[in-house]
Amino acid sequence: AQKITQTQPGMFVQEKEAVTLDCTYDTSDPSYGLFWYKQPSSGEMIFLIYQGSYDQQNATEGRYSLNFQKARKSANLVISASQLGDSAMYFCAMRGAPSGSARQLTFGSGTQLTVLP
Amino acid sequence: KAGVTQTPRYLIKTRGQQVTLSCSPISGHRSVSWYQQTPGQGLQFLFEYFSETQRNKGNFPGRFSGRQFSNSRSEMNVSTLELGDSALYLCASSLSGKMETQYFGPGTRLLVL
Repeated sequence: AQKITQTQPGMFVQEKEAVTLDCTYDTSDPSYGLFWYKQPSSGEMIFLIYQGSYDQQNATEGRYSLNFQKARKSANLVISASQLGDSAMYFCAMRGAPSGSARQLTFGSGTQLTVLP
Repeated sequence: KAGVTQTPRYLIKTRGQQVTLSCSPISGHRSVSWYQQTPGQGLQFLFEYFSETQRNKGNFPGRFSGRQFSNSRSEMNVSTLELGDSALYLCASSLSGKMETQYFGPGTRLLVL
């Protein structure tokens, strides 16, 4: 079974500063993908960044980077230069081997990020 | 390229009624997954369809069902609605349902009174 743990229910960050959102995972699959999604109050889940378990380098997408530490089973999201529009719920998710129940996304409980002006 | 679309966006029903939600995936995407999001349970997987076949199903009662059409559009149906079915229902599409990224629609907010 797969499990995602996000231990920060809420985070505050000052505008223009960087913030790290924590995510740890547990899986027995040798191959898996890790994802981060942003969910504003409107409800839509917006894909931010992806990291494959065999990727050698940490993923980056604009202001988003994923700090992937495989041995520690952590996949923290780093947002640089925070903007007011970054205020939202952030979900870490995992998808395992393409067979059976591991195919679907397993989500963490989310972190509510608030960017302060 | 147009994103995932879901209709309707908002829905109010009463207990015992049934409801059908619709999802149109991104053009070319053949896998469609459905998720239920509630404040208490978080995001939970309902089912996944690929090429008109249900490939995977979450732990939900048989009142929840779905189908996929030849154009990859998908519908989910909830019969005999209960108050606890009030939730945001999210549809996501991906190319083939393997480990590639799932892209989500705006969701349908269902309120059961």
